[in-house]
Amino acid sequence: AQSVTQLDSHVSVSEGTPVLLRCNYSSSYSPSLFWYVQHPNKGLQLLLKYTSAATLVKGINGFEAEFKKSETSFHLTKPSAHMSDAAEYFCVVTLTGAGSYQLTFGKGTKLSVIP
Amino acid sequence: DAGVIQSPRHEVTEMGQEVTLRCKPISGHNSLFWYRQTMMRGLELLIYFNNNVPIDDSGMPEDRFSAKMPNASFSTLKIQPSEPRDSAVYFCASSPRQGGDEKLFFGSGTQLSVL
Repeated sequence: AQSVTQLDSHVSVSEGTPVLLRCNYSSSYSPSLFWYVQHPNKGLQLLLKYTSAATLVKGINGFEAEFKKSETSFHLTKPSAHMSDAAEYFCVVTLTGAGSYQLTFGKGTKLSVIP
Repeated sequence: DAGVIQSPRHEVTEMGQEVTLRCKPISGHNSLFWYRQTMMRGLELLIYFNNNVPIDDSGMPEDRFSAKMPNASFSTLKIQPSEPRDSAVYFCASSPRQGGDEKLFFGSGTQLSVL
């Protein structure tokens, strides 16, 4: 069984300040973890993924996330927020391997960026 | 590549009517997913196809929902009869291979409103 908890439903930051979106997961086996972003009226787009390689994962648009097994966390960060980062972000967990396809999505965190 | 194409973008219908949502996955992708997104329940997997074969339809809410994939380049999700509680955004996604750690490519979704 697997689950994911996004600790904040809404985060608001000023443009140019750091972004932190928090995610905790639960998984019986070796997990794969993702962050997806959804802009208004758009489909989800992959930001980055962790699949048991380096624990610090770099994604698109300056985002990165660190897999911390001891804390069962996979928080998403960005050093400096841009107005275009305003969107909803989803943390996703699944099992690593060819037989798995069930992705468990978090409830999402809506990021607002204040000019 | 045009990405995953869904149609229509918006559908407004009356309760009891049949609704058909369409999806064209990315060429060469052999996994296709239908998801439903609502405020209350977030993103839910409805059905998963691999090589045009339905592998898991346990997420389909009830017999009113059906999905087909007659060939590698087309899938439909049908609701008959539709009900107001079916109002949601329906996403189609595809991926190149079966596997939970594979990146999903999402369409822009169909916003369904059942009056």
